[in-house]
Amino acid sequence: AQKVTQAQTEISVVEKEDVTLDCVYETRDTTYYLFWYKQPPSGELVFLIRRNSFDEQNEISGRYSWNFQKSTSSFNFTITASQVVDSAVYFCALSERTTDSWGKLQFGAGTQVVVTP
Amino acid sequence: EADIYQTPRYLVIGTGKKITLECSQTMGHDKMYWYQQDPGMELHLIHYSYGVNSTEKGDLSSESTVSRIRTEHFPLTLESARPSHTSQYLCASRGSLNTEAFFGQGTRLTVV
Repeated sequence: AQKVTQAQTEISVVEKEDVTLDCVYETRDTTYYLFWYKQPPSGELVFLIRRNSFDEQNEISGRYSWNFQKSTSSFNFTITASQVVDSAVYFCALSERTTDSWGKLQFGAGTQVVVTP
Repeated sequence: EADIYQTPRYLVIGTGKKITLECSQTMGHDKMYWYQQDPGMELHLIHYSYGVNSTEKGDLSSESTVSRIRTEHFPLTLESARPSHTSQYLCASRGSLNTEAFFGQGTRLTVV
């Protein structure tokens, strides 16, 4: 069963619009970690944020913000006032502490964000 | 900035050749991973290691093999490359379970 679901395959916006990327995860573990990564066209994966299961505080970093809600098993990501440089594929990932998953990052399918001028 | 390196960045090779993709990190991380990714698609874990002499197969079956003789080095080998192996291969390392994984720049492999 897929552990991380990113239902949006692609989102297209015009520059300066806000865009929200959804991430829903599934785990039986009480201790787990969630991540967001950005993959620009050059191909490398860039770490954006880490959140552990005990910290539900939302976070803002510049134009980026994250909304973690354990009640709905969601960890959504919003880009405010999008720019062309935000065009990339964004991945949500989960790391559990169960024996068979120890240390493995399980990625969602990714959401392609296209920002046009 | 992450200190994890992959070589080569790009490789075009003929069918049947043996290839080794290199991955090295200087952060002293115990955990290392190989992911396979087609362009713009999801990442599939093919191998991982929790330390020296520890290797495990990932969630996606792969004909490749790995070794972990030194902490800093986690090479991936294909004994006989085929066109179906054409993909991007991403190496990653991680220090502990509550930290992020650092990724190399990837190797884009094309088998002709």
